[in-house]
Formats: sequence, structure tokens, C-alpha cells
Amino acid sequence: DAGVIQSPRHEVTEMGQEVTLRCKPISGHNSLFWYRQTMMRGLELLIYFNNNVPIDDSGMPEDRFSAKMPNASFSTLKIQPSEPRDSAVYFCASSERQGASTEAFFGQGTRLTVV
Amino acid sequence: AQSVSQHNHHVILSEAASLELGCNYSYGGTVNLFWYVQYPGQHLQLLLKYFSGDPLVKGIKGFEAEFIKSKFSFNLRKPSVQWSDTAEYFCAVNARNTGFQKLVFGTGTRLLVSP
Repeated sequence: DAGVIQSPRHEVTEMGQEVTLRCKPISGHNSLFWYRQTMMRGLELLIYFNNNVPIDDSGMPEDRFSAKMPNASFSTLKIQPSEPRDSAVYFCASSERQGASTEAFFGQGTRLTVV
Repeated sequence: AQSVSQHNHHVILSEAASLELGCNYSYGGTVNLFWYVQYPGQHLQLLLKYFSGDPLVKGIKGFEAEFIKSKFSFNLRKPSVQWSDTAEYFCAVNARNTGFQKLVFGTGTRLLVSP
């Protein structure tokens, strides 16, 4: 398996523009996570899905952020409008729920810079 | 809700020194515990995990961690570090109250090993 695939790897955009980050989880995994990593706040869980359904979005910073998972093999994280403080590395991770034995596998991340 | 505390934000060691990184979590019920490592410019990779059984867990690259339930701790150890261990280390937990799905990370510890 190719692992968790994220695109793009790098994104530079101007303040106010819409940004869409994409994630393809590992085939067969039914939990998907979006994290944001910054120097100041470390690794924050933004939202996670189970079987394509959003379970907990309490970490989404504000209404400018939205995430979808239309099917088991694809998820998006959208920021509209983007702001400089959104600059961070965004990671997607997936896991296969087997009772209590859950281990998350991470993608390479998308480095977002908003200027 | 569960949370994770990593008390050491930056650690600097010389090669061959022993390492211990602290991790405490807040949830009182059944948990799974993880240590992930992030090498410079790379994504997170699993070092080791604890689900049940022997509280002393051995992982890759000579790392081990001990789960002490009474102290809500899962400290990472390595008897002799190498320059290649320079990385950021994250402790993470998921808990029974979220079906072991919601994976929450600590803020990370940056380890610098000088040759």
C-alpha cells in the first residue's frame, strides 16, 4: 500500500483565498484524522471521521475551516477565506479500527503558507 | 476529555547519553498509549505502542516505554542515544470513552543529540 497520500505537499496562497487540502487514506482504514502542526501549538487534532461520518470536530478553529469525507477513499480540508495565521503543516492520518487496537498512519503533510 | 502532557519541550544530549522523556495523560479509564517520532522534514512514524499486557513496551531503534497506571505516565527511554535520534517525539493517547478512536497528542519534545 502507498500509505496515506496528501496533496499538495506545499501550498502558498494569498490571504483571503480558498485553500483545499486533500487526503487519500490507506485502503481498508475506516478512521481518518486531520491534524495541524505549528511551532506554538504543537500537533492539534482538528477533526476525525469514522466510516466517513464526522465524529468530533471540536478542534476546528473556526467556521472558516470545513472538512468532508464523501467516500472511504477521499477527504478534504477547506479553509475559506485563508489568513496568515493558518500557516502550518496539515497532516492527515488514517487507522483501521480493530477493537481497541488502533494505530494511526500519517501522510507526508501539506505545508501551507498564507501570505 | 483526555489530554497529554509532555513536560520537556527541548532536550539536548550528547551521543551515548541516556534518554528519558516524560509523558502524562489525564484520562482515568482504559487507554492505548503511543510514542511517535518525527525526523526533520518528515511525517510522524510510530515508535512503539501499548494496548495491554506487559507495561514495559519495546519499540524500534532501541526505544522502550513503561506504562505506570498509578502515575498516568508513559515515559520513553533509550539507554544510549545516537546522533540519528535527533527528532521530535510525540506521546499520544486514545481512550475507551471515544471507542479508542480519538487520538490526542502531546505538544512534543524536540531532542537534539550532539555528536
